Amino acid sequence: GAVVSQHPSRVICKSGTSVKIECRSLDFQATTMFWYRQFPKKSLMLMATSNEGSKATYEQGVEKDKFLINHASLTLSTLTVTSAHPEDSSFYICSAFIGSGYEQYFGPGTRLTVT
Amino acid sequence: KQEVTQIPAALSVPEGENLVLNCSFTDSAIYNLQWFRQDPGKGLTSLLLIQSSQREQTSGRLNASLDKSSGRSTLYIAASQPGDSATYLCAVENFNKFYFGSGTKLNVKP
Repeated sequence: GAVVSQHPSRVICKSGTSVKIECRSLDFQATTMFWYRQFPKKSLMLMATSNEGSKATYEQGVEKDKFLINHASLTLSTLTVTSAHPEDSSFYICSAFIGSGYEQYFGPGTRLTVT
Repeated sequence: KQEVTQIPAALSVPEGENLVLNCSFTDSAIYNLQWFRQDPGKGLTSLLLIQSSQREQTSGRLNASLDKSSGRSTLYIAASQPGDSATYLCAVENFNKFYFGSGTKLNVKP
């Protein structure tokens, strides 16, 4: 199956700093990438939809100025958590999507801990 | 808004048992339904994808069915093994958006 990578897999940062997470589709071009957040023992919560060359679409309740998304190419999307707070600590997962009716391919996730 | 429910939330069975996980969704206008497995602290592994025009898909010991009209899907696991222990998630696609259930945590005891 298709491969999606995320970097870094784990990151610890101090409150007030910014952290960038990369999501790459390694062997296919993804017109759309999704960013999810997963709280402990909970399911995935869609944060935003990222389309190459256009602004991301954020779900209700997600602060676009705090979670900056850039989809620079058909194989790369980045999520930047700005001015991180301890409550931003979570597991962030991206997925890449070819188009409607096709599978969604997930990255391995990034564990963010804000101290 | 699409809502996806998975029952049961947790399931513990002895090795070798056949089992069924359930997924229901409120809006039947879906493009596809996907079953995933998630190991603790890990990302998602796709198990089966059922297109909206299909009724079932099979892969090894796994069989997933889809009944769009009733808004239901089941994941059947035959001859369960301890290695099957994980959280199983279903997700439906509506108009390029995916909605996830809260998962069923499966424990297969040796």
